[in-house]
Amino acid sequence: SQQGEEDPQALSIQEGENATMNCSYKTSINNLQWYRQNSGRGLVHLILIRSNEREKHSGRLRVTLDTSKKSSSLLITASRAADTASYFCATREDSSYKLIFGSGTRLLVRP
Amino acid sequence: EAGVAQSPRYKIIEKRQSVAFWCNPISGHATLYWYQQILGQGPKLLIQFQNNGVVDDSQLPKDRFSAERLKGVDSTLKIQPAKLEDSAVYLCASSLSSTGNTEAFFGQGTRLTVV
Repeated sequence: SQQGEEDPQALSIQEGENATMNCSYKTSINNLQWYRQNSGRGLVHLILIRSNEREKHSGRLRVTLDTSKKSSSLLITASRAADTASYFCATREDSSYKLIFGSGTRLLVRP
Repeated sequence: EAGVAQSPRYKIIEKRQSVAFWCNPISGHATLYWYQQILGQGPKLLIQFQNNGVVDDSQLPKDRFSAERLKGVDSTLKIQPAKLEDSAVYLCASSLSSTGNTEAFFGQGTRLTVV
């Protein structure tokens, strides 16, 4: 079964706009990670946030984590056509250390 | 640094046949994962190894799927016999450990089509 559910399932924005994706999960976690997958390719790690952190930045990416609500969000600022991809959250479960992925958000950035 | 290597990249088999996938993780990575990704869905964890021990295989259909990690390095995933619903991309990944705050590195995957 999948731990995380992402919202929205699909998102279409204009280049230069911001994109926000949300992830909800069910169990206690050690950390939460975001990955990107371009069509037909493997997944690439973007950013990791520990369970005791609330916000983290990396370049144009901003991730927040609310462990009380069991949710996270990924914000991509000033989006580019090259950001078009599927984005997945993944949780490292606290008890088992399994790495479980969500269902993903498909982002389309229109030039 | 060499990435995670998987082979073959593509495989087409008939239902009820068997198939095997191979994965070579990044050198020094203790944790190895196999995921199944059906088109349009997120990766589903099939099995997670820590060195040559199994951390979790609760989602592995053990009546037809098997996996092993030889000497804690390379791994093979086998399906026997295959069903139509096994058509998917099989992704292998590795990380330094399971317990640390470590990221997973993915291979390019094997696209399996069962006809």
